[in-house]
Amino acid sequence: KAGVTQTPRYLIKTRGQQVTLSCSPISGHRSVSWYQQTPGQGLQFLFEYFSETQRNKGNFPGRFSGRQFSNSRSEMNVSTLELGDSALYLCASSLDGSSYNSPLHFGNGTRLTVT
Amino acid sequence: GNSVTQMEGPVTLSEEAFLTINCTYTATGYPSLFWYVQYPGEGLQLLLKATKADDKGSNKGFEATYRKETTSFHLEKGSVQVSDSAVYFCALSSYSSASKIIFGSGTRLSIRP
Repeated sequence: KAGVTQTPRYLIKTRGQQVTLSCSPISGHRSVSWYQQTPGQGLQFLFEYFSETQRNKGNFPGRFSGRQFSNSRSEMNVSTLELGDSALYLCASSLDGSSYNSPLHFGNGTRLTVT
Repeated sequence: GNSVTQMEGPVTLSEEAFLTINCTYTATGYPSLFWYVQYPGEGLQLLLKATKADDKGSNKGFEATYRKETTSFHLEKGSVQVSDSAVYFCALSSYSSASKIIFGSGTRLSIRP
């Protein structure tokens, strides 16, 4: 069974640009969550999607957005990039996310560098 | 709100040493508790979990017991190997926000041969 796939692995962007990251969950998983990982802030929850609906949201500005498609694949978008957005962005899928016994399966992440 | 506090790293040990990484949590109700591990260049992998008080999670020689009285979920291993070198994250999820997992800051573990 294929794991969670994130593309691209690396991205370099300039301040003010926008970026789109992609995540393909494990087959059969309907919940997709996104996390930002930085050395200073650790892992911070961005949002979670289930059946194409955003079900939970972290404390990030509106520049961070996402969506989920009918095949459960998900994208996140960051507009008007800032230097502080440089981070590893991790996507995680789970069967349904509604059970707090359902563990997350993570992808290897997209490393975004903003210059 | 819910939070997880884990011991600062890095932790450096010799092979075959005993490992403890402390983790305490703050949460309302009865959260599920997890340990995730991140190897260099990879995403996080679930190492073990416990879903109710006094449960013991175990995997690959690692163990952690859900202690509600001390709100702790310390990770232990009796004899570490070089291949255990990684970053370890303690985490919780609550029934009220099941899809939102709160992670600790991570503890980097390095094992010397």
